[in-house]
Amino acid sequence: DIQMTQSPSSLSASVGDRVTITCRASQGISNYLAWFQQKPGKVPKLLIYAASTLQSGVPFRFSGSGSGTDFTLTISSLQPEDVATYYCQKYNSVPITFGQGTRLEIK
Amino acid sequence: QVQLVESGGGVVQPGRSRRLSCAVSGFTLSSYAMHWVRQAPGKGLEWVAVISYDGNDKYYADSVKGRFTISRDNYKNTLYLEMNSLRTEDTAVYYCARVRGLSGSPFGASDIWGQGTKVTVSS
Repeated sequence: DIQMTQSPSSLSASVGDRVTITCRASQGISNYLAWFQQKPGKVPKLLIYAASTLQSGVPFRFSGSGSGTDFTLTISSLQPEDVATYYCQKYNSVPITFGQGTRLEIK
Repeated sequence: QVQLVESGGGVVQPGRSRRLSCAVSGFTLSSYAMHWVRQAPGKGLEWVAVISYDGNDKYYADSVKGRFTISRDNYKNTLYLEMNSLRTEDTAVYYCARVRGLSGSPFGASDIWGQGTKVTVSS
């Protein structure tokens, strides 16, 4: 099975900072990667699919890049409402797998 | 308004069964594959199962294979998860989620999620 490893597991940054979260697949998955945001007590929300396509309605400060095994989620200017846990997910084959999550806090 | 509403959660004893339902509205269920995803208390997201748009293809996580069954009734606009031989480690909030894209393929990102239904397996 393909494993998805996110880093870091937690992150603290200041408002306005550029934030980067990485996700590495143990085997190549082309661009079959999504990023989700889950705010405390809320339902996961799709941010990015196909590694770099922004889901409708998601702010442009979010962006995704990568292909194959290495992927990145970037928040260009961190906002207070971005406090959440972020998950990557690979969906090219079963089992569909999520990363372990990255908890993002405001410094 | 596109909406997914799960039901059927509750407290169930180990070894017993439970059926979860996910009622959809605002879109044509028969055009989309659907997932079940769960989240144990304080833990991350775990994919459980996926079913193709027509129900012909079903895939399961190893942790539930042989115990859980995903199904759908496109006429009733409802997705199901039949859970048998429940274990304490199945305790979680269970979400249904739509696979984006009209191809109906199971292999896509989930763009719409329900609010979840909580299942607690305990004696």
